[in-house]
Amino acid sequence: EPEVTQTPSHQVTQMGQEVILRCVPISNHLYFYWYRQILGQKVEFLVSFYNNEISEKSEIFDDQFSVERPDGSNFTLKIRSTKLEDSAMYFCASSGAADPNTGELFFGEGSRLTVL
Amino acid sequence: TQLLEQSPQFLSIQEGENLTVYCNSSSVFSSLQWYRQEPGEGPVLLVTVVTGGEVKKLKRLTFQFGDARKDSSLHITAAQPGDTGLYLCAGPRSYNTDKLIFGTGTRLQVFP
Repeated sequence: EPEVTQTPSHQVTQMGQEVILRCVPISNHLYFYWYRQILGQKVEFLVSFYNNEISEKSEIFDDQFSVERPDGSNFTLKIRSTKLEDSAMYFCASSGAADPNTGELFFGEGSRLTVL
Repeated sequence: TQLLEQSPQFLSIQEGENLTVYCNSSSVFSSLQWYRQEPGEGPVLLVTVVTGGEVKKLKRLTFQFGDARKDSSLHITAAQPGDTGLYLCAGPRSYNTDKLIFGTGTRLQVFP
């Protein structure tokens, strides 16, 4: 069964360092997302991406965050200068449909980021 | 701020018992989705309910969307240890956004 894969599964970094989280969405999907879940808190939307551009972003997704689809398969989330409060599980998701009312969102297993 | 509140937060039951989990909001949602998340994994979609009053069944799981599209419930009949996990409701605020708002979650533990 096709799945969304994420690397690394866990990354520990020092505050102020740049981090890149990688995702390989399901191959025929066109809509890509990043969500995050701080330990013990709700899953929160960060950004959605379609046709090589951001279609929607949350207030969390500030100038320190960026997303890129550098080739036909990878979808990356970059945090330029990590802060302690960026520590969270980051989930990549993809969908074959734009309409969340009818399309299914497939999540990866997550990348746990720990900022020290 | 739009919120989806789930209750109860935690639920521990014996195998064979029935349970209901609730997802409530003061806002209208165009649809609601239910996910199950196991430790170390991402959420997995169980069902999407779209029409007010809609009821969907998935084996022992019954999902209902409120008539006013502000609430939903998940009922599990004869729970099994394999049902253990974190149950999340989520929904888009309107038809023209792909941003999902997630609920606070219900952690279910089913003991054999």
